[in-house]
Amino acid sequence: QVQLLESGGGLVKPGGSLRLSCAASGFIFSDYYMSWIRQAPGKGLEWVSYITSGAGTMIYYAESVKGRFTVSRDNAKKSLYLQMNSFRPDDTAVYYCARVSPDSSSTFGALDIWGQGTTVTVS
Amino acid sequence: QSALAQPASVSGSPGQSITIFCSGTSSDVGGHNYVSWYQQHPGRAPKLLIYDVTNRPSGVSNRFSGSKSGNTASLTISGLQAEDEANYYCSSHRSTTTLVVFGGGTKLTVL
Repeated sequence: QVQLLESGGGLVKPGGSLRLSCAASGFIFSDYYMSWIRQAPGKGLEWVSYITSGAGTMIYYAESVKGRFTVSRDNAKKSLYLQMNSFRPDDTAVYYCARVSPDSSSTFGALDIWGQGTTVTVS
Repeated sequence: QSALAQPASVSGSPGQSITIFCSGTSSDVGGHNYVSWYQQHPGRAPKLLIYDVTNRPSGVSNRFSGSKSGNTASLTISGLQAEDEANYYCSSHRSTTTLVVFGGGTKLTVL
């Protein structure tokens, strides 16, 4: 079964740090671009980051997190990570990891598999 | 304020059809055929309904269809069912450092 499972969320103080993990199963993790998306309470979706497949040599960030968040991947562990530093209150959100669809013609296209999300609260 | 404009809410009765519009610019919706639509039930993760403007992933009902005209994309749901009551989000690739933008979401109520 194709699945993503996030972990690592919690309560953190402004200026603090946290590392989220996303464990993949049911597909060849290394073959796929991956993404982080977040959703503030009662709000819409916000793209956070993309990382390319394989060695993940190309990583892209939203302006709102650039310089504070770092994405990485460990294909041997089939895991995606989001290191978050210098938290601000507006970083409070449910954070989702998602797989970029292999069917889309766009490298930064649709997200076809999502995890259940992990909640980060900055307070 | 979200990058793509969607109506906050729409409603329809069972069996009817509704259309949700997603308005962008020539840098996103109008400049690419990379519009996606997601359905999200409360407390759940989003689910991909449409990708590349018109394509449905395997397993998604053919009651869901997508289209685009100029800078506006649309999602049509035909034969409304109670289970369609959810929030719907459009997204598009954007030709800037902000690679992907989302709409603010539309809450669909099935009357």
